Amino acid sequence: TQLLEQSPQFLSIQEGENLTVYCNSSSVFSSLQWYRQEPGEGPVLLVTVVTGGEVKKLKRLTFQFGDARKDSSLHITAAQTGDTGLYLCAVLNQAGTALIFGKGTTLSVSS
Amino acid sequence: EPEVTQTPSHQVTQMGQEVILRCVPISNHLYFYWYRQILGQKVEFLVSFYNNEISEKSEIFDDQFSVERPDGSNFTLKIRSTKLEDSAMYFCADSYRPNTEAFFGQGTRLTVV
Repeated sequence: TQLLEQSPQFLSIQEGENLTVYCNSSSVFSSLQWYRQEPGEGPVLLVTVVTGGEVKKLKRLTFQFGDARKDSSLHITAAQTGDTGLYLCAVLNQAGTALIFGKGTTLSVSS
Repeated sequence: EPEVTQTPSHQVTQMGQEVILRCVPISNHLYFYWYRQILGQKVEFLVSFYNNEISEKSEIFDDQFSVERPDGSNFTLKIRSTKLEDSAMYFCADSYRPNTEAFFGQGTRLTVV
């Protein structure tokens, strides 16, 4: 059983479309991070959400942390080809010494 | 902008050989990590390192693996006797404090043949 379940696993859309990807768990977290990884690169942090119900915006990206702090979503408005990549959610382990990643959603945006 | 740098970018080695993957963390960061990503699979935690000792390690990090900070700047991951299943991207990461943003290097692609 995965600690973090991400869905969908793959998403292929046209430029200009909106999309939402999800990160779900049965566990409660003090915080959750979203990373984006491009092919041949390491993950890059997009945002950290901390408070239940929190919404953070990063240009066309909107991140939400569930009220119960068990799940999170990432919504992209008017997707661009540059949004193509692997979107990963991650949480700290109980000791706070390591990040635990979900399997990620691979997003492909075509023009 | 400061960044984590890893060398080599790609390493091919024969099964049973030792490899050393190198990382230069960001200068004022104190917490160091190794992760790996097998092709098509998720990023997996290997080990965390602070104050010249291992803070935590995963089940993957068995006796074949070791880490050290030999000269106060480089942070290395050694795999003593590589196996085919060690083939993966290995990422070094660091952070200023443990609960803050982790900065990842570009990775070393290890191919064991």
